Amino acid sequence: GENVEQHPSTLSVQEGDSAVIKCTYSDSASNYFPWYKQELGKGPQLIIDIRSNVGEKKDQRIAVTLNKTAKHFSLHITETQPEDSAVYFCAASDGGSARQLTFGSGTQLTVLP
Amino acid sequence: DTAVSQTPKYLVTQMGNDKSIKCEQNLGHDTMYWYKQDSKKFLKIMFSYNNKELIINETVPNRFSPKSPDKAHLNLHINSLELGDSAVYFCASSPGPTDTQYFGPGTRLTVL
Repeated sequence: GENVEQHPSTLSVQEGDSAVIKCTYSDSASNYFPWYKQELGKGPQLIIDIRSNVGEKKDQRIAVTLNKTAKHFSLHITETQPEDSAVYFCAASDGGSARQLTFGSGTQLTVLP
Repeated sequence: DTAVSQTPKYLVTQMGNDKSIKCEQNLGHDTMYWYKQDSKKFLKIMFSYNNKELIINETVPNRFSPKSPDKAHLNLHINSLELGDSAVYFCASSPGPTDTQYFGPGTRLTVL
């Protein structure tokens, strides 16, 4: 089955700096890669996703890059703000008849004011 | 509000008891899921239903039984609760089985 590894487990940045979170996956059949943000006491919220037919996707301060050959994908947050502080999860899915998401172990991002 | 909702938000119970968690979505989605998030925040899928039919059934003790009375509801019943069942349980839904998943707010289960 799919295995997703996520690094780092914790990340602290100064407000205004950039943050990068990296994930690797094992199943070359995986073709859908969402990123979720989980604030304390809340459910994960989708912030951006990418499919394997594109290499990069941006949405304002958030971008995701995908390297299918190396089987890794990354989340980039620019101009970080204190409200970006949360746990971020990457996930991968093989896009089969039932999209079973395998999640990474999460990254606790802290943006220091 | 259109959303995925769960009840209760907190559930504290004794070992050996039977309990249920309810999930409802008013997004018109066909597919619903149950996930378990352990104390280290690791998220793992337990079950998925599409149009009331079970399509994903991970290796979960048979003390856990999902039930989908209709497309908008997916309930989770747990028999003979054990200490290791303590976790946060999330319900999610998606338009179809290969679409983006939207999560509910979670139910924190504590087994004493």
